[in-house]
Amino acid sequence: NSKVIQTPRYLVKGQGQKAKMRCIPEKGHPVVFWYQQNKNNEFKFLINFQNQEVLQQIDMTEKRFSAECPSNSPCSLEIQSSEAGDSALYLCASSPGHSSAETLYFGSGTRLTVL
Amino acid sequence: AQSVTQPDARVTVSEGASLQLRCKYSSSVTPYLFWYVQYPRQGLQLLLKYYSGDPVVQGVNGFEAEFSKSNSSFHLRKASVHWSDSAVYFCAVSIGQVVGQLTFGSGTRLQVYA
Repeated sequence: NSKVIQTPRYLVKGQGQKAKMRCIPEKGHPVVFWYQQNKNNEFKFLINFQNQEVLQQIDMTEKRFSAECPSNSPCSLEIQSSEAGDSALYLCASSPGHSSAETLYFGSGTRLTVL
Repeated sequence: AQSVTQPDARVTVSEGASLQLRCKYSSSVTPYLFWYVQYPRQGLQLLLKYYSGDPVVQGVNGFEAEFSKSNSSFHLRKASVHWSDSAVYFCAVSIGQVVGQLTFGSGTRLQVYA
C-alpha cells in the first residue's frame, strides 16, 4: 500500500477563496507529481518536482495554481482564487526516480468542492 | 502526442467469471504501459506495467495483461474475479521524453456481483 499522505481528505471552499492541500511523499522518493482528476475521470497533469525543483508544469498562465516542495516540509498545492471548475480530486504521487518506467505511488487524494 | 482509449465505461461480471478490460493506445513510439486500479475513496494503485520482453505480464492479485504491438493494445485479464475487485481500472501510458508523466484512459468501472 502507498505511503503517500495527503491532507485534508475533503476541502470545501467558496468561489474566490484560497484552497491549499498538502502531500507527504513516500520516504526516499525524490520525485513528486500533482494530478487533477475530474468527475469524468479525466486526469490532468499539473506539475512535478524533483526534490525542491520543478521538473515540468502545465501552463499555469491563469496564475491561480501554485505548488512547492520545500525541504523537510510537506509539498503543497494552492489555488489562489477557487472557481467552480476547480472542483475535483487532487492526487499527489511520488516515485523513486524520474524515468518514464517508474511506478507512481498515489495518495488517496484531496477532494475539493468549490461552492 | 499519445492517447489511451478504454472503450468500455462499465463492465459487470459475476463472481468467479473471467474478465477482460480493453485498452488501446496511440503513440509514435512504444510507450511504457501501466494498469492502475482505484478503489472507492482511494488513490490509484499499480496492478502491473510493461515495456518490453514477454508480451504477457503478470501483476498483483491474479491480474495479467497482454501487449500487442500490431493492435496497439494492452488488455487486462483475470481468470476468476472476486467481489473485492469491484473498482475503476485505468490504463495509462508514458513515453520516454516526458519525465514520468502519465496519460490515462477514461477508466472502466468494474462491478462484480455475487
